[in-house]
Amino acid sequence: GDSVTQMEGPVTLSEEAFLTINCTYTATGYPSLFWYVQYPGEGLQLLLKATKADDKGSNKGFEATYRKETTSFHLEKGSVQVSDSAVYFCALKGAGGTSYGKLTFGQGTILTVHP
Amino acid sequence: DGGITQSPKYLFRKEGQNVTLSCEQNLNHDAMYWYRQDPGQGLRLIYYSQIVNDFQKGDIAEGYSVSREKKESFPLTVTSAQKNPTAFYLCASIEGSFGANVLTFGAGSRLTVL
Repeated sequence: GDSVTQMEGPVTLSEEAFLTINCTYTATGYPSLFWYVQYPGEGLQLLLKATKADDKGSNKGFEATYRKETTSFHLEKGSVQVSDSAVYFCALKGAGGTSYGKLTFGQGTILTVHP
Repeated sequence: DGGITQSPKYLFRKEGQNVTLSCEQNLNHDAMYWYRQDPGQGLRLIYYSQIVNDFQKGDIAEGYSVSREKKESFPLTVTSAQKNPTAFYLCASIEGSFGANVLTFGAGSRLTVL
């Protein structure tokens, strides 16, 4: 079945540092890919998405590019802020077979940004 | 405002009891999902439903049951057969089952077994 693998955390950075959180996936066909963010005590919010190969999703300074050849969707931000501290989830929505319509999440990566 | 309402926000259960978590959405979304979140394990899919009166098991359905009698409601029952039910439960919905529509989450329900 479909699966999503994220880099293990926690990730701890200083303010204004560069962020990369790796995400790779296994899926049938051409899934849609997402990054969600969860702030303490809250549900998840969509951060960005990409629906086809080479699409770049972006929002709030975060970016991720759908790489079909490497089955990856790495999240990047050039300069993180303390307010970016949260848990980040990579996810995919199945596009074929028994996975159609099914949303699968990675295990989440905790990001802590220090002043 | 449209959204997903989960209740209760906090719930305590004694061992051997069944409990039902409510999830209601007024977004007119077709598909609804239940996830369980445990520290260090991310979100794991329990059940999902793409249309009324139909639902599918996710990756960890054992010990849980659901119903989808109305489009706006997708309650989750945590039965006594669930061996480790203490967790944070998230309900979500999405418009249709096609394309890359955005998944909307509720604020979650935290269940603790005493």
